[in-house]
Amino acid sequence: AQSVTQLGSHVSVSEGALVLLRCNYSSSVPPYLFWYVQYPNQGLQLLLKYTSAATLVKGINGFEAEFKKSETSFHLTKPSAHMSDAAEYFCAVTGPQGGSEKLVFGKGMKLTVNP
Amino acid sequence: DTEVTQTPKHLVMGMTNKKSLKCEQHMGHRAMYWYKQKAKKPPELMFVYSYEKLSINESVPSRFSPECPNSSLLNLHLHALQPEDSALYLCASSLTSGGREQYFGPGTRLTVT
Repeated sequence: AQSVTQLGSHVSVSEGALVLLRCNYSSSVPPYLFWYVQYPNQGLQLLLKYTSAATLVKGINGFEAEFKKSETSFHLTKPSAHMSDAAEYFCAVTGPQGGSEKLVFGKGMKLTVNP
Repeated sequence: DTEVTQTPKHLVMGMTNKKSLKCEQHMGHRAMYWYKQKAKKPPELMFVYSYEKLSINESVPSRFSPECPNSSLLNLHLHALQPEDSALYLCASSLTSGGREQYFGPGTRLTVT
């Protein structure tokens, strides 16, 4: 079964510092991978997706992620954190085209940005 | 436009009430989903509709009854809920059900008293 692992539950960075949120996946075939962001009391917003095209994926709000098959990783980065980036971030995986209908989420990572 | 709308935004209901949650999308998506999210947890899949037919039921108690009247609309009928059912209920849609990104609505915050 496919799964993603987000180690830890909370990351704190200073405004202007690098944001790095880690995600490792487990899948027997190349998966589709996603990062979602959830602001307090809101739904989930798609940040970016990997669907077997380019391994470096650029998303909204200055975020990007790199798919590394050798490391089974899909870490999310942003060069310079902004106060508005404070939110919960979920990594998620699903099957390739024609595969599983289920989107499997990691446990989530709360990002705090300090002034 | 990647908007999924949900109504109501908040709902408080007693354990003997019957209520419904509504979800709508006009993106031409043919897969729609219901998720339940408890505080500080990831969303948990409840139901998947593909081309207006129920394709996945994640062993959800019968007090939750989904309905997909047409390709744009998804309802969740609630009856005889328990306090532990209090949660954020999220609707999502995707172009098709196989491996596509899902777009989420803002959710309905449900409180069962």
